[in-house]
Amino acid sequence: DSGVTQTPKHLITATGQRVTLRCSPRSGDLSVYWYQQSLDQGLQFLIQYYNGEERAKGNILERFSAQQFPDLHSELNLSSLELGDSALYFCASSVVAAGNTIYFGEGSWLTVV
Amino acid sequence: DQQVKQNSPSLSVQEGRISILNCDYTNSMFDYFLWYKKYPAEGPTFLISISSIKDKNEDGRFTVFLNKSAKHLSLHIVPSQPGDSAVYFCAASRTDSWGKLQFGAGTQVVVTP
Repeated sequence: DSGVTQTPKHLITATGQRVTLRCSPRSGDLSVYWYQQSLDQGLQFLIQYYNGEERAKGNILERFSAQQFPDLHSELNLSSLELGDSALYFCASSVVAAGNTIYFGEGSWLTVV
Repeated sequence: DQQVKQNSPSLSVQEGRISILNCDYTNSMFDYFLWYKKYPAEGPTFLISISSIKDKNEDGRFTVFLNKSAKHLSLHIVPSQPGDSAVYFCAASRTDSWGKLQFGAGTQVVVTP
């Protein structure tokens, strides 16, 4: 158990819909990261939040957005869903200082039909 | 643009022998490298890391070697155990953007009795 909690574990939704994935970081970790793992793209960094502020952006689509709340939990919002958005979405957390272990949650499986 | 490459999608090794996993990177700005292990339906689990100021880091059965001039790193697992059967991901980061990991495609390791 990494201490990073993600919900829901599985989600099936239709194209065009919107979903929200939730993440609770490890206790004490101020930094939260979102990653997407798809069959054709592998594990890709989407976005990072640190203590409520966006810190870094990766290959995140404009249809996707995220936020980190005062209690440090984070949500990833995916809208206007397409079939190609079907993937495993991971949340990770760490202390922000370089070299500290980045812990991953178990992921949220999203299937768009 | 795949900046981290794991060219061997799979590796089969006998229990008790050495497993050697390879990883190449193209971006010379990367200064921190990590290995993660992943079981099906679980998130990646941190194994071992190495800073670019070192050429070797050891932790129990796991040793990571870094050859900066060749932009190559390898993970040695000695001795291999059945529980080591998993997908292993190489990842790279810059310490000034900690957490923004670039992952390789992964290598499936199967340890046979």
